[in-house]
Amino acid sequence: GAVVSQHPSWVICKSGTSVKIECRSLDFQATTMFWYRQFPKQSLMLMATSNEGSKATYEQGVEKDKFLINHASLTLSTLTVTSAHPEDSSFYICSANPGQDIETQYFGPGTRLLVL
Amino acid sequence: LAKTTQPISMDSYEGQEVNITCSHNNIATNDYITWYQQFPSQGPRFIIQGYKTKVTNEVASLFIPADRKSSTLSLPRVSLSDTAVYYCLVVPGYSSASKIIFGSGTRLSIRP
Repeated sequence: GAVVSQHPSWVICKSGTSVKIECRSLDFQATTMFWYRQFPKQSLMLMATSNEGSKATYEQGVEKDKFLINHASLTLSTLTVTSAHPEDSSFYICSANPGQDIETQYFGPGTRLLVL
Repeated sequence: LAKTTQPISMDSYEGQEVNITCSHNNIATNDYITWYQQFPSQGPRFIIQGYKTKVTNEVASLFIPADRKSSTLSLPRVSLSDTAVYYCLVVPGYSSASKIIFGSGTRLSIRP
């Protein structure tokens, strides 16, 4: 199956700093990628849709100025958590679709963010 | 986007067959039914996908009745390593840019 990677796998930062998380499709191109957030014992919550070459589409209640998304190439989308606070501590997961089976999304391994 | 409903949790024992049922009453004509497995601190892993009737792969079987308003994931002879959260998703099949909305999932616990 298609492979999606994320970097870093975990990050610890101080409150007020910004953190960038990368999502890469390793063996396919993706015009669209998705970003999710997952809190402990909860399901994945869709944050935004990342579109190559255009602005991201954010879900209701997600602050676009706080969670900056850039999809500069067909294999890379980045999520920047700006001025992170402890409540932003979570597990961030991205996904992408290779296109052959348009119904199937492949997920990255996730990035654990801890804001102190 | 069709909403899915599945049991919050299930318990079983090693070697048993486990069936997890999901209801999706508002499924649309173009929608596919997809199941994912998630272990703690990992991204969801694709298990199986189907449109109608029965689909089988090396990991599981998926049964979908004619009205497609429900589906059942069947895991044959489970082991301890099958302990995970299983998500039933309804995915629009007309665009690779279609959003996926996760429900609560089923937390499956396998005991020795």
